[in-house]
Amino acid sequence: GENVEQHPSTLSVQEGDSAVIKCTYSDSASNYFPWYKQELGKGPQLIIDIRSNVGEKKDQRIAVTLNKTAKHFSLHITETQPEDSAVYFCAASLGTGFQKLVFGTGTRLLVSP
Amino acid sequence: GAVVSQHPSWVICKSGTSVKIECRSLDFQATTMFWYRQFPKQSLMLMATSNEGSKATYEQGVEKDKFLINHASLTLSTLTVTSAHPEDSSFYICSATDYANTDTQYFGPGTRLTVL
Repeated sequence: GENVEQHPSTLSVQEGDSAVIKCTYSDSASNYFPWYKQELGKGPQLIIDIRSNVGEKKDQRIAVTLNKTAKHFSLHITETQPEDSAVYFCAASLGTGFQKLVFGTGTRLLVSP
Repeated sequence: GAVVSQHPSWVICKSGTSVKIECRSLDFQATTMFWYRQFPKQSLMLMATSNEGSKATYEQGVEKDKFLINHASLTLSTLTVTSAHPEDSSFYICSATDYANTDTQYFGPGTRLTVL
């Protein structure tokens, strides 16, 4: 089955710095990779996603890159702000069906003013 | 758009009682709804997948007779934790996908269950 590893588990940056979170997956058939932000006591919120036919996608300060050969995908946040502090989860679709997701273990991002 | 609600947001119950959690898609029709469980400082673990009008598909290790799922309409799914015990205490989160975009899951705000 699919296994998704996520690093680092915690990440502390200064406001304005960039943050990068990396994930690897095991199932070469996976073709959908969303990223979610979860604040304390709340449900995950989709922040960006990428499909296997695209290598990079950007939305304002957030970007995601995908290397299908290496089975790596990464989240890049530029010009971080204190409100970016949260737990971030990557996920990969289980096989080619898109629908079921396997989540990474999460990264706790702390942005200090 | 793509708003998912859950009710209640938190619940405390006595051991041995049953608790029902509702998940609603507010502005779209959900082809599929998913139920996850999340323990403190851990990731989301998929419990089951449900499609409207059909039986839920449970993940390995999840007791279907303990976690009853009903998906009676395209906007409502319910999870009933039967004969709850303290080890069932957790954060339960649902998600839903819609006809227009079947790969993107939109999550509800979660329900914190505490069993005394």
